[in-house]
Amino acid sequence: AQRVTQPEKLLSVFKGAPVELKCNYSYSGSPELFWYVQYSRQRLQLLLRHISRESIKGFTADLNKGETSFHLKKPFAQEEDSAMYYCALSQGSGTYKYIFGTGTRLKVLA
Amino acid sequence: EPEVTQTPSHQVTQMGQEVILRCVPISNHLYFYWYRQILGQKVEFLVSFYNNEISEKSEIFDDQFSVERPDGSNFTLKIRSTKLEDSAMYFCASTLGGGIRDTQYFGPGTRLTVL
Repeated sequence: AQRVTQPEKLLSVFKGAPVELKCNYSYSGSPELFWYVQYSRQRLQLLLRHISRESIKGFTADLNKGETSFHLKKPFAQEEDSAMYYCALSQGSGTYKYIFGTGTRLKVLA
Repeated sequence: EPEVTQTPSHQVTQMGQEVILRCVPISNHLYFYWYRQILGQKVEFLVSFYNNEISEKSEIFDDQFSVERPDGSNFTLKIRSTKLEDSAMYFCASTLGGGIRDTQYFGPGTRLTVL
């Protein structure tokens, strides 16, 4: 079955520390992986996607097909990074609906 | 930048009542989705809609649910007889194309509370 797992509900780090938000997926085909961010009282916004291989707000994520992971990383956390982060998978057929993980709340402490 | 909008932001209703949640997708988008998030749980797919038809629906989307695009701009989700367990945040999303690489743009959500 298709599944996205984010093992940490809450991750607290100090400002300037490295951040890694974990995401593992289960899917037999060739998925597209996304990270969405939800700042307080705001909508879900696309942060980045694996196909674009870009860095947004200092965040990067590499798709590791061997480990079926798509971890989100940032070398130096900022207070404004505090938000809810969701990993999502779009299946490679059908309607390309998203399958979401449960989300990780990142708190960056001053 | 164009955004998906949703109304109302919060809807309170009595169990058994009908509710209609409204969404205005981005104007040139062609594919529309509804998701829901029960408090403390993951965002779950409900239904996708294209060319005035449901293209896929989840097990959650039973006969109590329906979707409609009544005009060229609105996309609605109707729950005919609400249950307590329908209390959740409902998100609308739209994409320009229907491919795997098309980004879904989400609305701010409607919080539905069923009493």
